[in-house]
Amino acid sequence: DQQVKQNSPSLSVQEGRISILNCDYTNSMFDYFLWYKKYPAEGPTFLISISSIKDKNEDGRFTVFLNKSAKHLSLHIVPSQPGDSAVYFCAASLSNFGNEKLTFGTGTRLTIIP
Amino acid sequence: DAGVIQSPRHEVTEMGQEVTLRCKPISGHDYLFWYRQTMMRGLELLIYFNNNVPIDDSGMPEDRFSAKMPNASFSTLKIQPSEPRDSAVYFCASSHRAGRTDTQYFGPGTRLTVL
Repeated sequence: DQQVKQNSPSLSVQEGRISILNCDYTNSMFDYFLWYKKYPAEGPTFLISISSIKDKNEDGRFTVFLNKSAKHLSLHIVPSQPGDSAVYFCAASLSNFGNEKLTFGTGTRLTIIP
Repeated sequence: DAGVIQSPRHEVTEMGQEVTLRCKPISGHDYLFWYRQTMMRGLELLIYFNNNVPIDDSGMPEDRFSAKMPNASFSTLKIQPSEPRDSAVYFCASSHRAGRTDTQYFGPGTRLTVL
């Protein structure tokens, strides 16, 4: 039972354009959401997060949007750069688990076309 | 800071053999996590420790899997006997506080192939 879903296994975007990665979740008890980025042969690295009390969080070229009613979040990258080519994982945590556990999606491979 | 260190980086073994994966967390971190990455299921949390004590092992797939943390600087994940379906990339991660998990630092992973 996949509680965090990334339905697009891959995405290709032209350099300079906007990349939009999507994530859906089923557990309404999730209250904190994160995006991780992973390059080949490396471990995932934290990118950006958002609490359920917000609907948007921005960090430079990266913005995460949260729609609680739709149980949906998205990561926007503007403008996209070749170095953004990686696998992106969406993750969620439950406050009543003390926040240590993360539930990850299956990932979306983003390719930026020069 | 060397980051989280995992060994070996690659492991190829035959079905039925014992496999031991190793992890050295970042010094000072008091949480350690073991994850498994597969194409079908993404990143799954297998087990995590706090101050060397296992807190939640509900993600461990079956009794063939076991994990230990004998001290703050070392942990092992053992599979005995190994099966082809165990083939995956196994990640270790560590963090230095409870609370929000944006401070989990991942190692480079061990790619396990069971023939």
